[in-house]
Amino acid sequence: QQPVQSPQAVILREGEDAVINCSSSKALYSVHWYRQKHGEAPVFLMILLKGGEQKGHDKISASFNEKKQQSSLYLTASQLSYSGTYFCGTEKGGGSEKLVFGKGTKLTVNP
Amino acid sequence: NAGVTQTPKFQVLKTGQSMTLQCAQDMNHEYMSWYRQDPGMGLRLIHYSVGAGITDQGEVPNGYNVSRSTTEDFPLRLLSAAPSQTSVYFCAVGRRKFLSSGNTIYFGEGSWLTVV
Repeated sequence: QQPVQSPQAVILREGEDAVINCSSSKALYSVHWYRQKHGEAPVFLMILLKGGEQKGHDKISASFNEKKQQSSLYLTASQLSYSGTYFCGTEKGGGSEKLVFGKGTKLTVNP
Repeated sequence: NAGVTQTPKFQVLKTGQSMTLQCAQDMNHEYMSWYRQDPGMGLRLIHYSVGAGITDQGEVPNGYNVSRSTTEDFPLRLLSAAPSQTSVYFCAVGRRKFLSSGNTIYFGEGSWLTVV
């Protein structure tokens, strides 16, 4: 079951903040976040495990609410280099080793 | 890309032809998987493996075969290529066997396949 990402696209000016949401109809064990630039492979950002933890590095952080089966990615004071398509991947645990991705959120950061 | 090598990088096939996309890693990673990426569809899981001799189907397995005879290699075979299989294919690997162990998954550089 593919997770649903919102919004589908967002345009920012440098320095603005953005939130990308990822929700699932199934119980989740972990959420993985990736960023992909055009013509390149997806690059790992962070993983959040069951337990409602929040992670972050630099000005990008994420939260995971397992009760709501949702995760959010927070981009603070965006930089031009943040442009790309962001994907969340979800894993439901219980012996299923499938990492299923959403359709992506395209983020454009303009000067 | 965690030492993941995909070959070929670009390939054009005729409908009905068969071919194999290669994925190799030299870091003794347990978890290997194949995804396809199409515009507007995100990344869709084709097949995955948690170790040598173990494979399982993902979301879109039809038309593809895999095997995992060694830890290092996880080839993806297209038995009879169709235009609908035109896509970008990514191999992704993880150091640990299971996702639930906090397994970070890293992607190879991709293989661009066109079926005409």
